[in-house]
Amino acid sequence: DAGVTQTPRHEVAEKGQTIILKCEPVSGHNDLFWYRQTKIQGLELLSYFRSKSLMEDGGAFKDRFKAEMLNSSFSTLKIQPTEPKDSAVYLCASSLAMGASQNTLYFGAGTRLSVL
Amino acid sequence: AQKVTQTQTSISVMEKTTVTMDCVYETRDSSYFLFWYKQTASGEIVFLIRQDSYKKENATEGHYSLNFQKPKSSIGLIITATQIEDSAVYFCAMREFNNNAPRFGAGTKLSVKP
Repeated sequence: DAGVTQTPRHEVAEKGQTIILKCEPVSGHNDLFWYRQTKIQGLELLSYFRSKSLMEDGGAFKDRFKAEMLNSSFSTLKIQPTEPKDSAVYLCASSLAMGASQNTLYFGAGTRLSVL
Repeated sequence: AQKVTQTQTSISVMEKTTVTMDCVYETRDSSYFLFWYKQTASGEIVFLIRQDSYKKENATEGHYSLNFQKPKSSIGLIITATQIEDSAVYFCAMREFNNNAPRFGAGTKLSVKP
């Protein structure tokens, strides 16, 4: 089975631009997560979806960050407008639903975003 | 609110020795799941081992094992017979049963020296 696929792997944006990151979860997984990873803050939750419904939205990220699940096998994360402090690695992960014995997260390779 | 704390920023050990990494957590849920993940130098994050809160027996997986002390809200990761390729950053995570997303600790960087 294919794992979690994230595109692009690298993105360079000018301050103020809009960027869209993409994620395809593991086939059959119900839960999808977006995290941001930086050296200072570590892994921070951006959004959590279950079967396309938004379950949790990272409070600090609501104004310029918007994640969507267009269907059960595709999600996007839009950052609009970008700021230099958004430079980080953005990770997508998926899992089977809570309560399942296999609710372990599977991570994508991440998108490294640099905002100039 | 759930919180996961890893106080060890980095650890250095000699190859073939045993290392323990600490993790404490906070939760109001009576049921939860605890995980350890490894992030390699390439950035890849992989699952290592898990402990379900209702299980009293410590989980083991290959040369990884857990020291689950529920009264102390502690879940330590033990790696025996360390190898050079165990050098990585190790993250502890907790997922509550009430449909919240997992929260991660800050990570512990392990360096295994020959």
